[in-house]
Order: sequence, then structure tokens, then C-alpha cells
Amino acid sequence: GESVGLHLPTLSVQEGDNSIINCAYSNSASDYFIWYKQESGKGPQFIIDIRSNMDKRQGQRVTVLLNKTVKHLSLQIAATQPGDSAVYFCAENADNAGNMLTFGGGTRLMVKP
Amino acid sequence: NAGVTQTPKFQVLKTGQSMTLQCAQDMNHEYMSWYRQDPGMGLRLIHYSVGAGITDQGEVPNGYNVSRSTTEDFPLRLLSAAPSQTSVYFCASSYGRGTEAFFGQGTRLTVV
Repeated sequence: GESVGLHLPTLSVQEGDNSIINCAYSNSASDYFIWYKQESGKGPQFIIDIRSNMDKRQGQRVTVLLNKTVKHLSLQIAATQPGDSAVYFCAENADNAGNMLTFGGGTRLMVKP
Repeated sequence: NAGVTQTPKFQVLKTGQSMTLQCAQDMNHEYMSWYRQDPGMGLRLIHYSVGAGITDQGEVPNGYNVSRSTTEDFPLRLLSAAPSQTSVYFCASSYGRGTEAFFGQGTRLTVV
């Protein structure tokens, strides 16, 4: 069935560097995408979202890029900090796949001091 | 606002026992959902509701029941617990489709 997946299960970066986490999706009807951060023992926390009528959206230190042509989503974190260490999930929403978010498998980001 | 509140935080069940995981939200959200998260994996949708009195199945509904009698509450019932249901369960709520989902802190369930 339709799914959302990630290229890299683990990403290790140096503190202060920029991080890029990638996500591929397969449902061409998806029109809303969201990135969540999950710290150990906690529920997912919203980072940033983007709708399919946009290709870029920026937040504080984070940027999400959407390439609908190749069905690819990425999360860029600027000046990565130790507090950014967590598992990051992308999720999609499409009106032909129910009303809830479909999640990818997650990428663990490890920030080295 | 408390957001999304799940109880209990931890639970151990014996195989065959039944129990209800509670979920409440105080944001007046129409959409509520239950996910399970197995170790090292993403979240899989169990059941969801788009409003009081309306529920539907997600990706992995077998062994679980839900009801939505009020906007605020969305309990998840395990009918006869099995070891395969050992997981972390998350409840989420949102205003509607295409909006941010707010998650509870999770219920860690172990079935022995």
C-alpha cells in the first residue's frame, strides 16, 4: 500500500553543523506533510508542516523542502545542537488514505559535542 | 490547557486480560486517533474518529475496540490481551484533516 519512508535510519552530526533528514513518500494524493521530533520516553512533538501548494517553509532553525516531482520531503536543521538529538518522523495526509496521518519509520539524529 | 492526557502511563497485563486505555483532550478537537509504536519503528494507526459517534479502523485494528461518546474522550479497549500487543500506545487529536496532530505522552503496555 501507500507508505512514507526514510532513506537513513541514523544520522550523526557534529554540534554546530547543519543536519538534513530525508523522507520519501509514495502517495501522489498526499497534500499535507509534517515533521515530528520524538525524544526518548515522550510523545511526538510538532516541528514544522507544509502543504502541497508550497515547496519550502521555514521555521526557527528548521526548513522543510517538498519536491512533489520526485515525492521527496526533507527537514533541514541549522546549527544542530545537542538538544536536537532525537528520532524524527515525517508523516503525510491524503484524502484518499483516510483522515489521519501516515508515518514513516523514523531517523535517529545523534549530535556529537 | 492540558492538551492530550493519557492514562495509565505504564501497564502490565496477563495474556487474556482486558483493559481500557484512556485518552482525553481539552482542545475541542474533532479528530482523535490511536497509534501504536513498536521498538525502533514508526507509528501505526489503530483506530480513529472524526467526531463524536463516528469511528473507523486504521492500519492495525484487530484486537482493539474504540468508541467516541463525547468530543473529549476516546478510550481504546483491548478485548483479550496478547503478547503481540506489547507496545507503546499514543493518542492524538487535531482540528481536522491537514492540521497538526497533538500527541499524548503515551502508555507503555506489556503483555506477559
